[in-house]
Amino acid sequence: NAGVMQNPRHLVRRRGQEARLRCSPMKGHSHVYWYRQLPEEGLKFMVYLQKENIIDESGMPKERFSAEFPKEGPSILRIQQVVRGDSAAYFCASHRELNTEAFFGQGTRLTVV
Amino acid sequence: GDSVTQMEGPVTLSEEAFLTINCTYTATGYPSLFWYVQYPGEGLQLLLKATKADDKGSNKGFEATYRKETTSFHLEKGSVQVSDSAVYFCALRIAGGTSYGKLTFGQGTILTVHP
Repeated sequence: NAGVMQNPRHLVRRRGQEARLRCSPMKGHSHVYWYRQLPEEGLKFMVYLQKENIIDESGMPKERFSAEFPKEGPSILRIQQVVRGDSAAYFCASHRELNTEAFFGQGTRLTVV
Repeated sequence: GDSVTQMEGPVTLSEEAFLTINCTYTATGYPSLFWYVQYPGEGLQLLLKATKADDKGSNKGFEATYRKETTSFHLEKGSVQVSDSAVYFCALRIAGGTSYGKLTFGQGTILTVHP
């Protein structure tokens, strides 16, 4: 059983471009979370999604950021008009229904130049 | 709000030394507590956890005890190895609901072990 898969592993974008990060949860996992890790900081919760629904987006910046988890396919974190401050590692985690352990992907390291 | 505070790092030790990484928390509810480890270029891996007061989590020689009276969950290992070099994160999760993956993390402690 493959783990949580994130791609790309590394992404470079120029200021003003769009960044699209993908997360394929583990098989059978219908709950997905996105976290952001700024340099030398811990992970900060951004958003929690179940299939086709956003459950909790209390950690998402109000503008430029959006997330989705469609019925088919991976979860997508989209950052529009990126700025230098968006440079960070973005991690995805997933778990099964009623399972108490979440598994993390290897992350996508976004660099905005 | 909920928060986790870890001891300042980085920590540098010689192989076979004793390790302690301090972690304290504040929470409005009754949290579960976790230690995660992040090896270079990798994602986070669950190292150990404890879900109620006085529980001891243990794995790979690491231990941590949930101390409600001191709101602490310090990580210890009796004899570290070079392969333990990584970043260690303390985290909490508030009980209730289905958001098992919504965690509050500390800032992380970098551990370097020299031969």
